[in-house]
Amino acid sequence: DTAVSQTPKYLVTQMGNDKSIKCEQNLGHDTMYWYKQDSKKFLKIMFSYNNKELIINETVPNRFSPKSPDKAHLNLHINSLELGDSAVYFCASSQDVAGGPTTDTQYFGPGTRLTVL
Amino acid sequence: KQEVTQIPAALSVPEGENLVLNCSFTDSAIYNLQWFRQDPGKGLTSLLLIQSSQREQTSGRLNASLDKSSGRSTLYIAASQPGDSATYLCAVKPSGTYKYIFGTGTRLKVLA
Repeated sequence: DTAVSQTPKYLVTQMGNDKSIKCEQNLGHDTMYWYKQDSKKFLKIMFSYNNKELIINETVPNRFSPKSPDKAHLNLHINSLELGDSAVYFCASSQDVAGGPTTDTQYFGPGTRLTVL
Repeated sequence: KQEVTQIPAALSVPEGENLVLNCSFTDSAIYNLQWFRQDPGKGLTSLLLIQSSQREQTSGRLNASLDKSSGRSTLYIAASQPGDSATYLCAVKPSGTYKYIFGTGTRLKVLA
């Protein structure tokens, strides 16, 4: 059973298009995250939801909009794609954000490689 | 502003060696620190999480230590194997935040 899954795995699209990436976790966790890993492999947090409430919203262009329809799903919609958006996007989840060893352990999805042409 | 650095950026060792990966952070006010492993083309896997009140955590051949006052953590891998080849990342959770700040990673290659 896949704990954190993302679709699609690869996404190739033209500049200016709008696209979505979906994420689902079957771990019963309360908290989900979106990370961006750039071409130099640097990983940076973008958004986080806890119990469907936005708790982290980093300095990200407002072309990026997360949506959490329920605790098990966190989707990422990107408008007007630009060349610089090309990266690998990772979804992750944790039991909670309370700061404990069991609650904070992060579980990552396999990533979505986005290429903007 | 918290910054996390990992040195070296890449490391190549023969099988069987014991090795140490280093992680430095600039602000000692942290909740905890996690070590992750990332295989090529895959997501991250959490290896160990050390609370700010702890000095070390162990899992199998892995031992992670934390010296919060000096802003350092090390990941010790005993008797390295080719299957340990991967990129290892550390991440700190600053006090008063919900997010993790990731290091730049160390790419490890264990030669058979």
